[in-house]
Amino acid sequence: EDQVTQSPEALRLQEGESSSLNCSYTVSGLRGLFWYRQDPGKGPEFLFTLYSAGEEKEKERLKATLTKKESFLHITAPKPEDSATYLCAGADSSYKLIFGSGTRLLVRP
Amino acid sequence: DAGVIQSPRHEVTEMGQEVTLRCKPISGHNSLFWYRQTMMRGLELLIYFNNNVPIDDSGMPEDRFSAKMPNASFSTLKIQPSEPRDSAVYFCASRGQAPWDEQFFGPGTRLTVL
Repeated sequence: EDQVTQSPEALRLQEGESSSLNCSYTVSGLRGLFWYRQDPGKGPEFLFTLYSAGEEKEKERLKATLTKKESFLHITAPKPEDSATYLCAGADSSYKLIFGSGTRLLVRP
Repeated sequence: DAGVIQSPRHEVTEMGQEVTLRCKPISGHNSLFWYRQTMMRGLELLIYFNNNVPIDDSGMPEDRFSAKMPNASFSTLKIQPSEPRDSAVYFCASRGQAPWDEQFFGPGTRLTVL
């Protein structure tokens, strides 16, 4: 069965303290690995898509990487406004997204 | 572009009542998805449409749930009769022409069934 697992469930960081979020996947025929950000009371907001192992993408303080088994979202020198839930999702062979349960990130000033 | 539009944003109803959730996808997008999000089960795909045709409804929990897409700019998700365990946030998302495009999510409808 296709599955996406995220860790940790929650992460507390001080402002400026860099860290990484993990997304492990077992999705047969993976068509892409998607990262979304979700703020309370809002819908998920698209961040990145990674299509092949070794690929990396960056946006401001965020960098996403992909291997054959997992993806990482690296957050460099985070700010309080980076606090949110980060969701990853694997696209299966029919491009349906299978979401992980998310990592709740809190960045304290 | 206004993005994906959902209504209502909040719905409180009593067990046994019919509930209809509405979605307007982004203009030009040809795929539409309905998701349900709960603390216990996370974000789950219920059904998706391509060019207004239902492609996969394997995530629809039971016969009480139904979805329609009468045209490219409108979709509904109906629950009849509603039960307390249906309480969740329901999201609609749309996607462009290419299947590898990202999905854009609406703001969601928070449903509470008493």
